[in-house]
Amino acid sequence: DIQMTQSPSSLSASVGDRVTITCRASQSISNFLNWFQQTPGKAPNLLIYDASSLQSGVPSRFSGSGSGTDFTLTISSLQPEDFATYYCQQSDSLPLTFGGGTKVE
Amino acid sequence: QVHLVESGGGVVQPGGSLRLSCAASGFTSSTYGMHWVRQAPGKGPEWVAFIRHDGNTKYYADSVKGRFIISRDSSKNTFYLEVNSLRTDDTALYYCTKGKNIDDFTLVYWGPGTLVTVSS
Repeated sequence: DIQMTQSPSSLSASVGDRVTITCRASQSISNFLNWFQQTPGKAPNLLIYDASSLQSGVPSRFSGSGSGTDFTLTISSLQPEDFATYYCQQSDSLPLTFGGGTKVE
Repeated sequence: QVHLVESGGGVVQPGGSLRLSCAASGFTSSTYGMHWVRQAPGKGPEWVAFIRHDGNTKYYADSVKGRFIISRDSSKNTFYLEVNSLRTDDTALYYCTKGKNIDDFTLVYWGPGTLVTVSS
């Protein structure tokens, strides 16, 4: 199974800050990497797919980069509604696996 | 517009069973695959099972293999996850989720989830 390791597990930030979250895969997954945002009581919401493609309806302050084993999610200017938990997920092969999450507080 | 709604969760004793349902609308169930993903309280999501669009090819996480069964009823546009021999660590919110494309591994559409609590 492909292990996904996210860092940090939590971070403290303020409105307007630039936030960066990293995700590392245990083996190369090309660009088959997705990022989700989750708020309490809600299902995960897809933000970025294929490492760098912005899902329809997602604000442009979210961006993704990387390929192979190392990936990054960046929020260019944190907004109040962005305080949430973020997960990476590999879509290269089954079993699909998720990172441990990053809580933005 | 794709819409997924899960049901069938509840409180069950260890060793018990439930059948979870995922009612789908906005697409034809026989033309898309479907995943089940669960999330234990305070934990991250965990992929559980996948059924391909053909309805016959099925995959399971090692943690549920031999205990859970994924299926589909095309006439009702509904997917199912039969959960058997339940353990306390199966306690979680169970989501059905699918991608935009035929057997996609990118999970775009999610239901609100149905809660399974395994407790004596």
